[in-house]
Amino acid sequence: QVQLQGSGPGLVKPSQTLSLTCTVSGGSISSGVYYWNWLRQPAGKGLEWIGRIYSSGRTNYNPSLKSRVTISVDTSKNQFSLKLTSVTAADTAMYYCSRGGDGYNGAFDVWGQGTMVTVSS
Amino acid sequence: SYELTQPPSVSVSPGQTASISCSGDKLEDNYACWYRQKPGQSPVLVIYQNYKRPSGIPERFSGSHSGNTATLTISGTQAMDEADYYCQAWDGNTADWVFGGGTKLTVL
Repeated sequence: QVQLQGSGPGLVKPSQTLSLTCTVSGGSISSGVYYWNWLRQPAGKGLEWIGRIYSSGRTNYNPSLKSRVTISVDTSKNQFSLKLTSVTAADTAMYYCSRGGDGYNGAFDVWGQGTMVTVSS
Repeated sequence: SYELTQPPSVSVSPGQTASISCSGDKLEDNYACWYRQKPGQSPVLVIYQNYKRPSGIPERFSGSHSGNTATLTISGTQAMDEADYYCQAWDGNTADWVFGGGTKLTVL
C-alpha cells in the first residue's frame, strides 16, 4: 500500500524559500497512471491546491501561486519536492502531499500526514 | 474566497440523513469529488466522479450531480461521521484543482 511522508523545516523566515519533500513508499513514483500533488491548509481554514507533477516532470500550478512555486521530482529517490519563494506569514499552513490518478478520475486517493510550516522571524 | 460554494455547517441527528451541497461554475462541465477530514487528520477521499465510492468507504456515503451543483449525502449518519467535508473539481480553463470552503458536519 502506497504511503506518503512529507518532511522539511517547520520554521521559515519571511522572504526566504520554503522547501519540502514528499517520499513515496510502497510503490513507484514513476507509475505513469499517477501524478503527485502539493496542497496546503492554514489553521482553521480550507484546502488549497498548490500544484502537481507527473513522473515525466510535467507540472501544473495554481495560477495564484505560480510565480513563486516550483515542484520537482526525483525518480531515483522516489521523491517529489516543493519550493515556495518569498514567503510571508500568509504562507503559514499545514502542507500536504497527495497522489492523484486515473483510477479515481484524478481525485486524490492517498495523502501524507501533513507538515506544519510556520513563517516567522 | 473559494471557487466552489459550500454551506459552512450542517447539523443532523444520529440515524438521519445529512446532505451537503457544493455549487459553482466549474461543476457544469466537470466531475465533483468529496473528502472527509477529521480534526488533526489528513483528508480522506469518500466520493469521486460525482457518485463513486472508493473501497472501504461505507455505503451510507453517496453523491449526486446536476448542473452546477454536487451533493454529498450521508444516510443513517453516525457519530463517527462528524467531520469537515470538502468538495473538489477540476478547472479545465486554468488547469488547476479547486475546492469548496468546507462544511462542518455536526451529529447532534
